Amino acid sequence: QSVLTQPPSVSGALGQRVTISCTGSSSNIGAGYEVHWYQKLPGTAPKLLIYGNNNRPSGVPERISGSKSGTSASLAITGLQAEDEADYYCQSYDSSLSGSFYVFGTGTKVTVL
Amino acid sequence: QVQLVQSGAEVKKPGASVKVSCKASGYTFTSYGFAWVRQAPGQGLEWMGRISTYNGNTNYARKFQGRVTMTTDTSTSTAYLELRSLKSDDTAIYYCARTTSTWVDPWGQGTLVTVSS
Repeated sequence: QSVLTQPPSVSGALGQRVTISCTGSSSNIGAGYEVHWYQKLPGTAPKLLIYGNNNRPSGVPERISGSKSGTSASLAITGLQAEDEADYYCQSYDSSLSGSFYVFGTGTKVTVL
Repeated sequence: QVQLVQSGAEVKKPGASVKVSCKASGYTFTSYGFAWVRQAPGQGLEWMGRISTYNGNTNYARKFQGRVTMTTDTSTSTAYLELRSLKSDDTAIYYCARTTSTWVDPWGQGTLVTVSS
C-alpha cells in the first residue's frame, strides 16, 4: 500500500473541470516535500505533468495545474478533452523512523464522458 | 533531444536474475541521476530506487533491499538495474527515468520482464 492515497477514479464531461486529490501525512506532503504529477497512457511511458507542486514543464497546457496544502495536493484539469483520459499518479518523498523513500500515489483513472 | 532507450523484453524462470539496461543520450550523463520504477499488470507505479551518476550512491526502496542492484557506466552513458531471486509477482514493465532533484523526467520506453516457469 502506498502512503499517498488517490481516488481510484474520477470522471467528467468534455469541457468540464476535474480534480484529483493526493492525500499524504506529516511524514511526506505535510513535512514540506514537493509533489509531482504524472500522466500514464496505456502502452506508453509515464509523462511528467507537474513538478515542484505547481510547475508545468514546457509543452504541458495551462489548463493543467497543481496545488498543495497541508498534507494533501491536487491536480486540476480544466476544459477536459478526450486525450486527457488516462491514469494519473502523484509522487513525493516520505521520511519516517523506518527510512526515507520516494513514493507514488495509488493512481487515479480519469474517464471523459 | 534527451532520450532513454531500454533493452528488450526478458523472460525468466523463478529464482533467476534479470539485468535491464537504459542508454541515455542528448545530455551530460553525470549531471543527473536515474530512478527505476515498475508497473505490474493492472497495478500502479512502484518506486524501486535511484542512483547518483556522480558518486554511485544508491537509495533502494525497502521492499527491494538485498535483491536489487543499480549501477551506471559513465563510459557508455548507460544505467543498469539488476533484480535477483525473481518471483512471479516481479512480472512487470520496468522503467528507467532521469532524476533531477526529486521528480523524474523523461522516462525510458519500458522493458517487460516476465517471470514464469
